Amino acid sequence: GAVVSQHPSWVICKSGTSVKIECRSLDFQATTMFWYRQFPKQSLMLMATSNEGSKATYEQGVEKDKFLINHASLTLSTLTVTSAHPEDSSFYICSARVGSRNEQYFGPGTRLTVT
Amino acid sequence: EDQVTQSPEALRLQEGESSSLNCSYTVSGLRGLFWYRQDPGKGPEFLFTLYSAGEEKEKERLKATLTKKESFLHITAPKPEDSATYLCAVQDAGGTSYGKLTFGQGTILTVHP
Repeated sequence: GAVVSQHPSWVICKSGTSVKIECRSLDFQATTMFWYRQFPKQSLMLMATSNEGSKATYEQGVEKDKFLINHASLTLSTLTVTSAHPEDSSFYICSARVGSRNEQYFGPGTRLTVT
Repeated sequence: EDQVTQSPEALRLQEGESSSLNCSYTVSGLRGLFWYRQDPGKGPEFLFTLYSAGEEKEKERLKATLTKKESFLHITAPKPEDSATYLCAVQDAGGTSYGKLTFGQGTILTVHP
């Protein structure tokens, strides 16, 4: 149980375009999902907390207008990187919280490359 | 501000050579401490959650322990397939109820056959 999927697993886009990444909890409902970014040889940095039916909470330094988060259902959260630039190239990972056990399960990640 | 420091940064072991990884943390109040394993190019895989000092959990060759200031991940008789980056994270009891995690930098474990 507690499987989280992400789509796509990798994406290459041109500078200035927007990219949408989906995060789904496959076998449980997640009222809270999290979006992280991980640069090479670094640990995970939380970008934002996504709650179903409400606005996301962004960490300090993360531009809410650039990284749009939508959590429209209990099994799906999306992250849209708007007007992507090469410095946005990174590994984006989502997680979903199993509330009853206070555990977070992570998706496989999405590798974004902006050219 | 919550802080998590893992040591060593990298650890090389021979197959069968047991060792421990350390995770030191500073939080206003600990709600939970989490251990994850991450393979290159993949998302972290959940291993353990510890909630209070003195608690221990085991899974195959791994055993996690917790004190008021640090946690250890003990690896007994490791195999090459245990090679990965091991991440420690804390959840602050004083934060929101949403479950935000603060991660350490990780320990890269390499087990040679």
